[in-house]
Amino acid sequence: QKEVEQNSGPLSVPEGAIASLNCTYSDRGSQSFFWYRQYSGKSPELIMSIYSNGDKEDGRFTAQLNKASQYVSLLIRDSQPSDSATYLCAVEERDTDKLIFGTGTRLQVFP
Amino acid sequence: GAVVSQHPSRVICKSGTSVKIECRSLDFQATTMFWYRQFPKQSLMLMATSNEGSKATYEQGVEKDKFLINHASLTLSTLTVTSAHPEDSSFYICSARLYPDTQYFGPGTRLTVL
Repeated sequence: QKEVEQNSGPLSVPEGAIASLNCTYSDRGSQSFFWYRQYSGKSPELIMSIYSNGDKEDGRFTAQLNKASQYVSLLIRDSQPSDSATYLCAVEERDTDKLIFGTGTRLQVFP
Repeated sequence: GAVVSQHPSRVICKSGTSVKIECRSLDFQATTMFWYRQFPKQSLMLMATSNEGSKATYEQGVEKDKFLINHASLTLSTLTVTSAHPEDSSFYICSARLYPDTQYFGPGTRLTVL
């Protein structure tokens, strides 16, 4: 059973701080990795995709991938209260089109 | 770009009726769409993979005769919940895959069966 694991949280950070969200996965053959944000009662929204080892930056967001350790992370700099949401890590299953989702980490940014 | 719409956003129906949900990719063609269900405070559960022009592939435990999926064009997939019952009440979300691998989600349909 291929799995994606995340700490459910909540992760509480003060406004302006860096939030660090982590994810591990079991399928060594996976090549595509995604972070989605889901506000309560809404559908997931794509934040970033990452395919290669290392860092990928987009605005306040940085995704980090380490395939040897089977580890993906998302850093959010200058966290804002509007960033408060559940962050879903998703890994594309090798040989299928399916995404395997983690259970999500709830982030709370307090003023 | 990469916008996916769903209709309706919310539906309330009586037990025993059928409900159809539409999922459209508005600015790209999607040979593959996915249907998920999400219960409160739980993660997404993949129900089925919908491929244009062929039969959907259902996940284990999902009744294909209850959840009918049709992917008639490169921009439209429909999910019909047949003979809905209160236990089918949930948040149904579709996604469309933009080649090669990124899934974009629709806004979801909240189904309440009385």
